[in-house]
Formats: sequence, C-alpha cells, structure tokens
Amino acid sequence: TQLLEQSPQFLSIQEGENLTVYCNSSSVFSSLQWYRQEPGEGPVLLVTVVTGGEVKKLKRLTFQFGDARKDSSLHITAAQPGDTGLYLCAGVGSNYKLTFGKGTLLTVNP
Amino acid sequence: GAVVSQHPSWVICKSGTSVKIECRSLDFQATTMFWYRQFPKQSLMLMATSNEGSKATYEQGVEKDKFLINHASLTLSTLTVTSAHPEDSSFYICSASRGHNSPLHFGNGTRLTVT
Repeated sequence: TQLLEQSPQFLSIQEGENLTVYCNSSSVFSSLQWYRQEPGEGPVLLVTVVTGGEVKKLKRLTFQFGDARKDSSLHITAAQPGDTGLYLCAGVGSNYKLTFGKGTLLTVNP
Repeated sequence: GAVVSQHPSWVICKSGTSVKIECRSLDFQATTMFWYRQFPKQSLMLMATSNEGSKATYEQGVEKDKFLINHASLTLSTLTVTSAHPEDSSFYICSASRGHNSPLHFGNGTRLTVT
C-alpha cells in the first residue's frame, strides 16, 4: 500500500509570513499533485509534478518534486488570508487513482 | 472547461433510509469515476472506483452492499448509501476522468447528515 505522509497537519500563521508543507512517500509515484480545498467544496488542482527535481511556480506558490520522486514540498511566500484552506498532496497511481495525504489545514490571520 | 456536477449538495435523512448521490460529467464522457469520503478537517479517503458498464472496485474496508455504486452511462455515476446510520454522516465527493492519463475533475461534494 502506497502511503503519503503530509506535514504539518495544522498551520496557523500571520499574513506576510512564509510557510512550507511537506509530502513524503514510502514509494515512487508516476506523478504527484497538489490540491487546495475550501470548506464545502471539492478540491481544486493547483499543480502536477512529474519529473524528479522539477520545480513549478504558481504566483507565490512554489512546488518541488524530489529527485527520487518520493517527496514533494509546497512553499508559500508572503501568505495572505485568501490562502487559507486545506492543502492536499496526492500521488497519482495507475488508472489515475489518487492516494491523498492527510492534508494541511492552513489558516492565515490578517 | 470540464465540469463535474454532484447532486444534491446537501441532504438530511433519517436513520434506516437510503440516500442516492449523483455525479455527472457535464461536457465530457467519463470512463472512470471515483467516490471519496471526507470527515471534517481531514483528507479524502477513496471509497471505490466506478467503471462504466462494469462493477465498481471497492477499497479495503468499504462495504459494497452498503455503498452501492452504479455507473450506467459515460456521464453518470450514482452512490447509494443504504440503511444509513449517523456514523455515515460525512462529505462525499466524486471525481471523473476522461480516461487514462487524463486529469481528474472533482465535484463540489455532498454533505450527508443522518439523524
């Protein structure tokens, strides 16, 4: 069974601070995705990383895929209250079956 | 863009009754749909994979006789929670894919409350 460990589980910071969320796996996934979910809604895909060592940027968000494709990180620079939400990493398996990490509940206080 | 619609968005039912949740792909044909369950402030847990025209594949620990899945067409999958109990109260989310190596699109979820 492929497992994804995500940390931290909860994070409460002040507006303007930086943060990093980590996602670690015991095995290799063909690709890894990051989602953001707001209460009462479905997850929204932020990025897919495929190549080991890959770095992708989405405005103030930077995503990195480890060289061995077993770990990933999400870094947010100068967090804003609008960044508040549940961030989920997901490993993509065969037939696009996703294995989700436990999620990081981020609260950015104004 | 592709849209996945879930209905209803919320439902309240009494213990012992059954509830059907629909997941529709609105502008594409979905050969595969997935059903997830999510408890408050927790991650999504995959319940089953729904394949059009064949039986669903359930994850370990998910009762197939309690959570009935029907994927009768390429645009519709349904999840029926049978003989619902308060512990079945949860947020149920579906996702749909056009097929191999195609991105998943998520519905907005259904909040089920069993009283």
